[in-house]
Amino acid sequence: GENVEQHPSTLSVQEGDSAVIKCTYSDSASNYFPWYKQELGKRPQLIIDIRSNVGEKKDQRIAVTLNKTAKHFSLHITETQPEDSAVYFCAASPQTGTYKYIFGTGTRLKVLA
Amino acid sequence: DAMVIQNPRYQVTQFGKPVTLSCSQTLNHNVMYWYQQKSSQAPKLLFHYYDKDFNNEADTPDNFQSRRPNTSFCFLDIRSPGLGDAAMYLCATSSDQDYSSTDTQYFGPGTRLTVL
Repeated sequence: GENVEQHPSTLSVQEGDSAVIKCTYSDSASNYFPWYKQELGKRPQLIIDIRSNVGEKKDQRIAVTLNKTAKHFSLHITETQPEDSAVYFCAASPQTGTYKYIFGTGTRLKVLA
Repeated sequence: DAMVIQNPRYQVTQFGKPVTLSCSQTLNHNVMYWYQQKSSQAPKLLFHYYDKDFNNEADTPDNFQSRRPNTSFCFLDIRSPGLGDAAMYLCATSSDQDYSSTDTQYFGPGTRLTVL
């Protein structure tokens, strides 16, 4: 079955620097890759997603890249701000119609003011 | 914001005393999920409904049951809560009716369950 590895588990950056979180997946049939941000005590919120027919997607300071050959995808946050501090989860949806995610283990991002 | 509502937000129960958590949605999504999440770990899928079809995860304990009486509502029943069941319980929804958002899951705010 699908397996998703996420690195690093914790990441500290200075305010204004960039942050990169990487995930690898095992099932080449996976075709949908969302990223969720979860602040302490709150729900996971979708911040960006990408489908397998696209290599890169950007939304303001957030971008996601996908390398299908290497089976990895990354979240890039530029010009980090203290409010970006949270736990970030990547996920892979094994194939259309399974309606399930395989989550990564999460990255705790701390943006230092 | 996506309208997935969970009640109650906080639930305290006693060891072994049955408890029911509820989830409702105004999105008319046909797929609903229940997750268990402990202390910043990834959410763990317990089961999901595709319309009325129930899909249990192989490692979900029998202690956990679910009901979906209609499209809008879904319930999680914990028949005999143990100390290890203390967690955040998240409901989520998705729809396969709109290709642009197929597979995207929208989470409710969660119910934090404490077992005494």
